[in-house]
Amino acid sequence: GQNIDQPTEMTATEGAIVQINCTYQTSGFNGLFWYQQHAGEAPTFLSYNVLDGLEEKGRFSSFLSRSKGYSYLLLKELQMKDSASYLCAVRAYNAGNNRKLIWGLGTSLAVNP
Amino acid sequence: DAMVIQNPRYQVTQFGKPVTLSCSQTLNHNVMYWYQQKSSQAPKLLFHYYDKDFNNEADTPDNFQSRRPNTSFCFLDIRSPGLGDAAMYLCATSRDTRADTQYFGPGTRLTVL
Repeated sequence: GQNIDQPTEMTATEGAIVQINCTYQTSGFNGLFWYQQHAGEAPTFLSYNVLDGLEEKGRFSSFLSRSKGYSYLLLKELQMKDSASYLCAVRAYNAGNNRKLIWGLGTSLAVNP
Repeated sequence: DAMVIQNPRYQVTQFGKPVTLSCSQTLNHNVMYWYQQKSSQAPKLLFHYYDKDFNNEADTPDNFQSRRPNTSFCFLDIRSPGLGDAAMYLCATSRDTRADTQYFGPGTRLTVL
């Protein structure tokens, strides 16, 4: 089956660094996405990894290890506005061998002053 | 700015009364998606259009239909909304269905009375 695991909730302090992990077991692999979703709003794209290694984009970085089925999103210099849900999604293949995004349930991050 | 627009942002309907949600995009992307997202759950793909080709997910109820009259617009029709259909409905677009990033509209929050 297709499965993505992320922690349900995390808490961190303003100015700190937080790492949100994502592990996946999917049929095939064609890329991993991280999205940020504020309460009541749509997901917004943060990062995309298809090869192993670290992708850095300002305060946010994302890492991928395909052999381990593992990714993490690293948020540096946390700000209050980073309080949101962070969704991990993997592009894999469904039963009909078509590409499909498999979504995790998201990690709700609370940033405290 | 190129974007994905959804109207209305909030929709209230009565049990069994048909409702149509609208999505438009200025990105000129080939693919348009409709997702349903309930509270604390991952987005659930209902169907997508690749250009004019309609692709329904196997577990999408017949109550949900879609139309794409042209590249820019896509509609979600709920023929007989039930209380369980109350959710956030997200429209997303991507250039194609391969490794491309999906960009989301702001969503329509549907309430069924």
